[in-house]
Amino acid sequence: QQQVKQSPQSLIVQKGGIPIINCAYENTAFDYFPWYQQFPGKGPALLIAIRPDVSEKKEGRFTISFNKSAKQFSLHIMDSQPGDSATYFCAASHSGSRLTFGEGTQLTVNP
Amino acid sequence: EPEVTQTPSHQVTQMGQEVILRCVPISNHLYFYWYRQILGQKVEFLVSFYNNEISEKSEIFDDQFSVERPDGSNFTLKIRSTKLEDSAMYFCASSEDRGEQYFGPGTRLTVT
Repeated sequence: QQQVKQSPQSLIVQKGGIPIINCAYENTAFDYFPWYQQFPGKGPALLIAIRPDVSEKKEGRFTISFNKSAKQFSLHIMDSQPGDSATYFCAASHSGSRLTFGEGTQLTVNP
Repeated sequence: EPEVTQTPSHQVTQMGQEVILRCVPISNHLYFYWYRQILGQKVEFLVSFYNNEISEKSEIFDDQFSVERPDGSNFTLKIRSTKLEDSAMYFCASSEDRGEQYFGPGTRLTVT
């Protein structure tokens, strides 16, 4: 019940495309859903996060869509650039406790 | 911009040896965490620490692991007797108020 399922495992898009990464969770006690971006050899960097009281949050080119009834949330990257090529992890936590991470999505944006 | 720092960046040790991984969290943060990531896998929670004591730990965090905040700035993870399967990236994270967690660059631990 603590798991967060993430898909797809890998994703290739052309520059300017809109990659969408999806996550699903089981634990209804989760109340915080961040997305992290990780480049090879680096630590995860917080991109954007959402709480269940809103259905969408946008920061720059990154948008989280949240569906509480379906227990799903997704990351959309608008106008993707080659520099966005990285591994993206969704995560979830309850009341600021441990983060439970998804399996990661390796995104490649071709020029 | 404040950031979490970790040392060393890479540690190579022999099986059975003790290692200490060091972290300097963001200065006004009160909540500290250790996570690990085995190569190519997802990030896994190890332990959280608040007010000089462990607040939560995972099943991975067994008796060979310990954490300490020896002074006002450092946060350490000790692995008492390393095993081959402890080889991973170890990330420290900190949070001001149990909200956003900010991760350090990691220490790559290689056990031979």
